[in-house]
Amino acid sequence: EVQLVQSGAEVKKPGESLKISCKSSGYSFPSHWIGWVRQLPGKGLEWMGKIYPGNSDTRYSPSFQGQVTISADKSISTAYLQWSSLKTSDTAMYYCARQHADYSFDYWGQGTLVTVSS
Amino acid sequence: SYELTQPPSVSVSPGQTARISCSGDTLPKQYAYWYQQKPGQAPVLVIYKDTERPSGIPERFSGSSSGTTVTLTINGVQAEDEADYYCQSTDNSGAYHVFGGGTKLTVL
Repeated sequence: EVQLVQSGAEVKKPGESLKISCKSSGYSFPSHWIGWVRQLPGKGLEWMGKIYPGNSDTRYSPSFQGQVTISADKSISTAYLQWSSLKTSDTAMYYCARQHADYSFDYWGQGTLVTVSS
Repeated sequence: SYELTQPPSVSVSPGQTARISCSGDTLPKQYAYWYQQKPGQAPVLVIYKDTERPSGIPERFSGSSSGTTVTLTINGVQAEDEADYYCQSTDNSGAYHVFGGGTKLTVL
């Protein structure tokens, strides 16, 4: 059974750093892109970027390029999304999702709520 | 960059047919995908490659494509179908993804 399990909710202050995780199981982790999706409170889904764990090839949406870093550790089947300096506007739910070969996102994590507040 | 445009809301009575559209310039060349998201839950893929339905998705969900517009159709809408629906596609290379703004389906 394919599963993506994300790390728990975070509460941070502006300027702090953060790394959230997405652990995959039930399939060959190196062989599927993992994407990250942001959902601001009460708003729609926004694609942030993705990584191919097999060779760490990474693509970012222009809206998020330079704002976040996506990485992966094949040895533990885990993808990461990190910020070096959080802003209050980063408060959102963040989802990871497995990209199928047909470019759909066929399996999703449960989401990680990030709250940034002073 | 490119965009996918959806109507913000659609309302139907139980048993009727709901149609949710999604338009974008790349859709004649790239497949579209549809996701259902209920409050407090992660999105769920309901249609892939314009018209295909994943296993476990009810037959009342179908997709179609015509030119720059794709459409999600839900026949015989049930109360449990009330949710937000998002279309998604890629750029011509498949490297970059985009979601539509989402459509709130209300079952009256």
